[in-house]
Parts: sequence; structure tokens; C-alpha cells
Amino acid sequence: GAVVSQHPSWVICKSGTSVKIECRSLDFQATTMFWYRQFPKKSLMLMATSNEGSKATYEQGVEKDKFLINHASLTLSTLTVTSAHPEDSSFYICSARVAGRGIYNEQFFGPGTRLTVL
Amino acid sequence: AQTVTQSQPEMSVQEAETVTLSCTYDTSESDYYLFWYKQPPSRQMILVIRQEAYKQQNATENRFSVNFQKAAKSFSLKISDSQLGDAAMYFCAYRSSRSYNTDKLIFGTGTRLQVFP
Repeated sequence: GAVVSQHPSWVICKSGTSVKIECRSLDFQATTMFWYRQFPKKSLMLMATSNEGSKATYEQGVEKDKFLINHASLTLSTLTVTSAHPEDSSFYICSARVAGRGIYNEQFFGPGTRLTVL
Repeated sequence: AQTVTQSQPEMSVQEAETVTLSCTYDTSESDYYLFWYKQPPSRQMILVIRQEAYKQQNATENRFSVNFQKAAKSFSLKISDSQLGDAAMYFCAYRSSRSYNTDKLIFGTGTRLQVFP
């Protein structure tokens, strides 16, 4: 149980276009989802916290108009990178929190999406 | 603000041997959670072990155990009987237990573990 999927796993796009990445909790309801960015051989940096039905909370330095997050249901959150540029190329990982599953509120991670902007 | 530091960018171990990965953190809070995550080449993050700060007993999960030293703010991971499949990036992570910041994970910079046959 507690499986999180991401789609697509790899996307290549042209500079200036927008890209949408989906994060789904397959067998549980996730009231909270998180979006991380990971540069090569680097750690995970939290970009934003997404709660179902409300606006996402962005970390300092993350442009909310560039990285649009929508959490429309308890099983789906989307990250849209608008007007992508080569510097947005990175590995994007989502995680979902299992609400009500004990004190840990453990996050389960998706497999990640590699974005390459040409 | 809380920080997590992993001072070993890379470590290596012989198969069947034991290796310890270091992690230190900084916080002014007294109650929190600590985690070790494994990220294999597939990039899928996998929870290895977790520890509640209010528990003095060190957590253990099969071949994985931690040495939690709260006063020293140290949280090391010991892998016993290392296997080739243990080769991965290992991240130490901190999470506050306070309600306003309950879910946010703060990750260290990671340690790349190589396992040699």
C-alpha cells in the first residue's frame, strides 16, 4: 500500500513552453502533497506544500507564478512549470502524506519526473 | 531554522561488512522526528528507518539501526551485513512535531554509499 505515481517520468520540452507533471496517490487519500526539486547529486529541496482544496504554500525563493500547483482532489496534485527555461531542468519529486495514519504522518514518495528544457 | 548536515559525501564498504553513515542536525525544539531515506539509482525515495526524539531507545529495522544521541544532536545510521543492493544515496531528514510545521521534511545533503563485492 501507499503507492505514489508520477507522470510523465521524463519530459523534454522547448524553452518557453509549459509542462504539467502529475502526482497521484494510488491506494490512499492524501490530504497533503509535497513537491521537491533535486539537482544532480544534490539533496531534495522542498518547493511547496499542497493541501487539497486550498492554495499551495511555497517555500521562500520559489516563484509561485512559475511553478503552479493544483491539488484538486485527494489523489491528484499537479505541478505546472510555466514558460520553462533551461535552468528549470531538474528532477521533480512529489510525496504524499497519509492522513490519519498514526503519529508519523509519513510521506510516501513518487518515482520522480526528469524535466529537460532545450 | 533547523538544519541537517551529512559530512560524508561518499562512503564505501565491502559486502557483508558494517558501515556507519553520519548525520548531525541543529534545532531548538525538544520534540521532533528523524529519518533515513535511501535513494537508489532509480531515484525512488525509500524510507529506511525513523526515530522519535522523545524515545531514548535506538530504532532498529533488520540490518539497519541508528545511534541517536539527542544531546549531541547526532543521528547516525549503521548498516550491518552490507549487501550490493544497499548501494545508493542516503539522506538524513528532520521533521518538527509542532503542528504549524508538522509535515515539512528537511533533508541533509546525502551520502553516496558504494558496496564492493
